[in-house]
Amino acid sequence: GAVVSQHPSRVICKSGTSVKIECRSLDFQATTMFWYRQFPKKSLMLMATSNEGSKATYEQGVEKDKFLINHASLTLSTLTVTSAHPEDSSFYICSALRDMGGNQPQHFGDGTRLSIL
Amino acid sequence: AQTVTQSQPEMSVQEAETVTLSCTYDTSESNYYLFWYKQPPSRQMILVIRQEAYKQQNATENRFSVNFQKAAKSFSLKISDSQLGDTAMYFCAFMKHNAGNMLTFGGGTRLMVKP
Repeated sequence: GAVVSQHPSRVICKSGTSVKIECRSLDFQATTMFWYRQFPKKSLMLMATSNEGSKATYEQGVEKDKFLINHASLTLSTLTVTSAHPEDSSFYICSALRDMGGNQPQHFGDGTRLSIL
Repeated sequence: AQTVTQSQPEMSVQEAETVTLSCTYDTSESNYYLFWYKQPPSRQMILVIRQEAYKQQNATENRFSVNFQKAAKSFSLKISDSQLGDTAMYFCAFMKHNAGNMLTFGGGTRLMVKP
């Protein structure tokens, strides 16, 4: 159990386009999901925490209007990169929590490679 | 704030041999959790092993074991009988207890298992 699906796995689009990435928990309900950004050969940088039914909590330095997060249901969170530019090119990874117990690990999606031309 | 440091950017090991990946962390918390995640070339992060700070016994999962030294704030991962499929990026991660389950990751260690 604890499968997290991320779609699409790869996106290539022109500068100025808005791109939506979906993160789904397939076999469990996730009240909390996380969105990370990973640069090549680098570690994961937390962008925001997404809570079902409420506004996302963004980390310092992450533009809320640039990276729109919607957690509309207990199994789906979306990240929309608005008016994407080449500097937004990166690997984006989501994760989900099965429950909020203190010792529960995050379950990660496969990631989305975003390339802006 | 917590910091997690992995001092070995890259390592290699021969198949069937044992390798140890280092991780140190800095925190003022007394109750927390530590994790090792594996990110193979397919890029999905996979949980390898976890340790609760209040437990003195080192966690083990088949060929993977940790050496948790709480006083030294050290959490190394030992991989025994290395296999080609162990080739991946390995990330050490820290999580405070009852603090939103947020993870702080180390910079990662790229492990190459050679045939």
